[in-house]
Amino acid sequence: DAKTTQPPSMDCAEGRAANLPCNHSTISGNEYVYWYRQIHSQGPQYIIHGLKNNETNEMASLIITEDRKSSTLILPHATLRDTAVYYCIVKKTGNQFYFGTGTSLTVIP
Amino acid sequence: GAVVSQHPSRVICKSGTSVKIECRSLDFQATTMFWYRQFPKQSLMLMATSNEGSKATYEQGVEKDKFLINHASLTLSTLTVTSAHPEDSSFYICSAPGTGMSSGNTIYFGEGSWLTVV
Repeated sequence: DAKTTQPPSMDCAEGRAANLPCNHSTISGNEYVYWYRQIHSQGPQYIIHGLKNNETNEMASLIITEDRKSSTLILPHATLRDTAVYYCIVKKTGNQFYFGTGTSLTVIP
Repeated sequence: GAVVSQHPSRVICKSGTSVKIECRSLDFQATTMFWYRQFPKQSLMLMATSNEGSKATYEQGVEKDKFLINHASLTLSTLTVTSAHPEDSSFYICSAPGTGMSSGNTIYFGEGSWLTVV
């Protein structure tokens, strides 16, 4: 599976958009980009995933560059409850994940 | 939506004993489930793939005889930590894929199980 690179930590003001970048320059054509988050002492929570088109759901938007070598997760109006570790994962056809180190997002009041 | 449930959420066991953790898919069937381990302040590490009706597939470096996995039904996988030692203390998490194309389906995670070996 392709390796992902994320900044180790980020801060975001409450109410502002949080933009979390992910680099996956070795991604293959059939690999999806998934985003999960993990709040302390809980299992990972699914946020969104996509292949090449931008995606949006009730939680977030996923912007994938045209060459698919990077993506950005956007939380449009961050709240304190969005403080968590965010994982960007690239997955092939199997359903197992190989997690990277993720980005620790802190939403500041 | 689909839910994956783990039990127990927390368990303390004595060194040398075995402990079983259950992972259930609620309202959907899962022919495969996955077990992860997470140490404090670290990321999740895939341990093994649990296959319904057949042997589990273990990641390199994971001891098969220590971490016994059984997937006896389409909704239940169990992880048994045998002869537990304090270094086995960790957060154990399972996941199961939702229905749909395997290439782009949603993977659901359980709430995790904290194991403390004393």
